[in-house]
Amino acid sequence: EPEVTQTPSHQVTQMGQEVILRCVPISNHLYFYWYRQILGQKVEFLVSFYNNEISEKSEIFDDQFSVERPDGSNFTLKIRSTKLEDSAMYFCASSVAGMGYGYTFGSGTRLTVV
Amino acid sequence: KNEVEQSPQNLTAQEGEFITINCSYSVGISALHWLQQHPGGGIVSLFMLSSGKKKHGRLIATINIQEKHSSLHITASHPRDSAVYICAAPTDSNYQLIWGAGTKLIIKP
Repeated sequence: EPEVTQTPSHQVTQMGQEVILRCVPISNHLYFYWYRQILGQKVEFLVSFYNNEISEKSEIFDDQFSVERPDGSNFTLKIRSTKLEDSAMYFCASSVAGMGYGYTFGSGTRLTVV
Repeated sequence: KNEVEQSPQNLTAQEGEFITINCSYSVGISALHWLQQHPGGGIVSLFMLSSGKKKHGRLIATINIQEKHSSLHITASHPRDSAVYICAAPTDSNYQLIWGAGTKLIIKP
């Protein structure tokens, strides 16, 4: 069964450093998403991406965040200057057509900012 | 503001028991999603339903659109069903899901 692949599975970084979280969506999917889950809290939407541009973003997705699809297969989330409160599990997802239809989540990247 | 509320927050039961998890939402939606999050963190979609009932193995999901309420049932529960079960609703744009807080289910042998 097709999978969404996320790397790394766990990343530890120092406060203020830049991190890039990587995702390989399912090949025929057109919509891509990042969600995050702070430990013990709800899953929160960060951003959706379609046709090489952001289609929707949340208040969390401020100027320190950016997304990119650099080569037609990878989908990345960059955090420019990490803060302690960025520590969370970050999930990538992809879908054929929006979150109202079939979608698949990756297994997540646990980001720890120290 | 879109809200999705779940109950109970935690549920512990004995193997074989019938399990019910409830979800209510505050706005009109096109469909409601039930997802399962394993202890390692991975998230799997279980159901997407917009009316009536869906069944997959021992899992049954029902929805009442008029009452803005959905339930997830597990029949003949088993320790391997232990996980966090989350309901979520897509926004009007369909570009994101609004998530409930999840129900942590533990099934004891």
